[in-house]
Amino acid sequence: AQTVTQSQPEMSVQEAETVTLSCTYDTSENNYYLFWYKQPPSRQMILVIRQEAYKQQNATENRFSVNFQKAAKSFSLKISDSQLGDTAMYFCAFMKRASGTYKYIFGTGTRLKVLA
Amino acid sequence: DTGVSQNPRHKITKRGQNVTFRCDPISEHNRLYWYRQTLGQGPEFLTYFQNEAQLEKSRLLSDRFSAERPKGSFSTLEIQRTEQGDSAMYLCASSLARDKDPGNTIYFGEGSWLTVV
Repeated sequence: AQTVTQSQPEMSVQEAETVTLSCTYDTSENNYYLFWYKQPPSRQMILVIRQEAYKQQNATENRFSVNFQKAAKSFSLKISDSQLGDTAMYFCAFMKRASGTYKYIFGTGTRLKVLA
Repeated sequence: DTGVSQNPRHKITKRGQNVTFRCDPISEHNRLYWYRQTLGQGPEFLTYFQNEAQLEKSRLLSDRFSAERPKGSFSTLEIQRTEQGDSAMYLCASSLARDKDPGNTIYFGEGSWLTVV
């Protein structure tokens, strides 16, 4: 069974600084997807960034980038130039690429607070 | 595109009562998911539909839980004989299946909070 671990329950960062959130996962699959979702205090989760395991290039979306280390089963999220609106819970998620199943496995989340 | 809509947003019920939540997915999305989230935890998968067919159910989904998507559009999640342990937020999500993109992005609703007293 797949598991996703986020070892940092809470983090804080000063506005405009850079912060990295950690995520590790365990799987015997070779083809899968990894995601970072953001859940602001309003509670609606939104996709931040996604990575396909067969792609070696790390995904980037504006201020958000990932460091995907497949052998180490590590998938960290880097937020550059942090903004107050980045304050939220961040969840790492795994989905195996296999027909017939589209179940996401989520970590327990990291609460990020951006300080003014 | 109005996003995934869930109602009611909050429900307080007495133990033993039945509750039903409704989810309206993003139009044209053929996949619909239900997740449960408790405080301090990430969402846990409950079930998912492709069109009207319920294709996967978690072992978390006891016999007291039933989900339907009769016309392949909106979905309902019913919990019978509620227990205090059912208190959680129930999240609905939807996605558009693309054969060439199995890693489809799912879009979440704001969730329905259930408190069983």
